[in-house]
Amino acid sequence: DAKTTQPPSMDCAEGRAANLPCNHSTISGNEYVYWYRQIHSQGPQYIIHGLKNNETNEMASLIITEDRKSSTLILPHATLRDTAVYYCIVRVSFGNEKLTFGTGTRLTIIP
Amino acid sequence: DTAVSQTPKYLVTQMGNDKSIKCEQNLGHDTMYWYKQDSKKFLKIMFSYNNKELIINETVPNRFSPKSPDKAHLNLHINSLELGDSAVYFCASSQRGQHNYGYTFGSGTRLTVV
Repeated sequence: DAKTTQPPSMDCAEGRAANLPCNHSTISGNEYVYWYRQIHSQGPQYIIHGLKNNETNEMASLIITEDRKSSTLILPHATLRDTAVYYCIVRVSFGNEKLTFGTGTRLTIIP
Repeated sequence: DTAVSQTPKYLVTQMGNDKSIKCEQNLGHDTMYWYKQDSKKFLKIMFSYNNKELIINETVPNRFSPKSPDKAHLNLHINSLELGDSAVYFCASSQRGQHNYGYTFGSGTRLTVV
């Protein structure tokens, strides 16, 4: 699975959009970009994933650059409950079942 | 509620003891996992089972033995516990070939070896 690079920490004001970047310059054509988050003391939670098109669900939006070497997770209106560690993971969806977590970005929402 | 449930939530035990952690999922998934999160918060996969068959074993010591009686359960038995085994252990499940909802994780078991 391709390696990802994320900033170790970010702050965002409550109510504003939180934009979390991820670099995955060695991504292969059949690898998806997944985002998970881990709120303190809880299990990781799936947020969203995509291959090459931008994706949106009830939790977030995922913007993937055209060359697929980087992506941005957007939380449109951040709340205090969004304070967590966010993990960007790149993996093949079929055949390789291992989900490998990096160090992630610690996002702190400021009141 | 559909979920991945682990028991116990907390486990404090002495070195040398043997303990088990249980995991059950009612999501109908065919693949289950055990992850370990150490004090530095690194999440590492330990084992994966697909339909009761071991498919991933990440060079975990032999003292750790997973058991999957059916595809809805994956238990973790640990023999001769050591101080370094202290960590939070997460169970997870997924459906092979269906990536739309990713992995579903349990809430974790905090193991403290004293």
